[in-house]
Amino acid sequence: GAVVSQHPSWVICKSGTSVKIECRSLDFQATTMFWYRQFPKQSLMLMATSNEGSKATYEQGVEKDKFLINHASLTLSTLTVTSAHPEDSSFYICSAIRGEGFSEQFFGPGTRLTVL
Amino acid sequence: AQSVTQLDSHVSVSEGTPVLLRCNYSSSYSPSLFWYVQHPNKGLQLLLKYTSAATLVKGINGFEAEFKKSETSFHLTKPSAHMSDAAEYFCVVRGHNYGQNFVFGPGTRLSVLP
Repeated sequence: GAVVSQHPSWVICKSGTSVKIECRSLDFQATTMFWYRQFPKQSLMLMATSNEGSKATYEQGVEKDKFLINHASLTLSTLTVTSAHPEDSSFYICSAIRGEGFSEQFFGPGTRLTVL
Repeated sequence: AQSVTQLDSHVSVSEGTPVLLRCNYSSSYSPSLFWYVQHPNKGLQLLLKYTSAATLVKGINGFEAEFKKSETSFHLTKPSAHMSDAAEYFCVVRGHNYGQNFVFGPGTRLSVLP
């Protein structure tokens, strides 16, 4: 199967600091990765689409300067939450598409961010 | 554009009884449809997917779903619920046009009573 990992799984930071979350496809190359945000007891909200070697495409309402996405290789995408505030506390989930078929996305286990 | 409606935010069943989680979709093009399960504080796991092949799709853990184009539905069923099925379930739709994103339904929380 296709495995996607995220690191860290859980992070606590102080307000005003930046946090980087890594998303890796372990056994396949992912030309496209997605970043989602999930609030408690709510569905996933797509934040951005990350394509290897190009700028990420952000959904309406998502601040690209606050949520920096870098897809530097076919197996790694990073999400950096800059100058984090308590309202950024959430569960962040990445997913990856294997190949060009777009028929299925494989999800990482998620990263829980708590900003104090 | 695509959209997904999950008619029930919470479904409660007794162990051993059938499960029905409803999903209706809207899509401009022939869609791909998915059901994912999420256990508390865990990532999403794919249960099954429909990608224009057989309309009755069998997934893992005894779940299945039937694609009904005339009703624009993709309901998830299981003949006999198990305690371990208690989780959040998401119906997801994606159009076949390049660049169309995956759209998540609001989710249905399934409770299984002993």
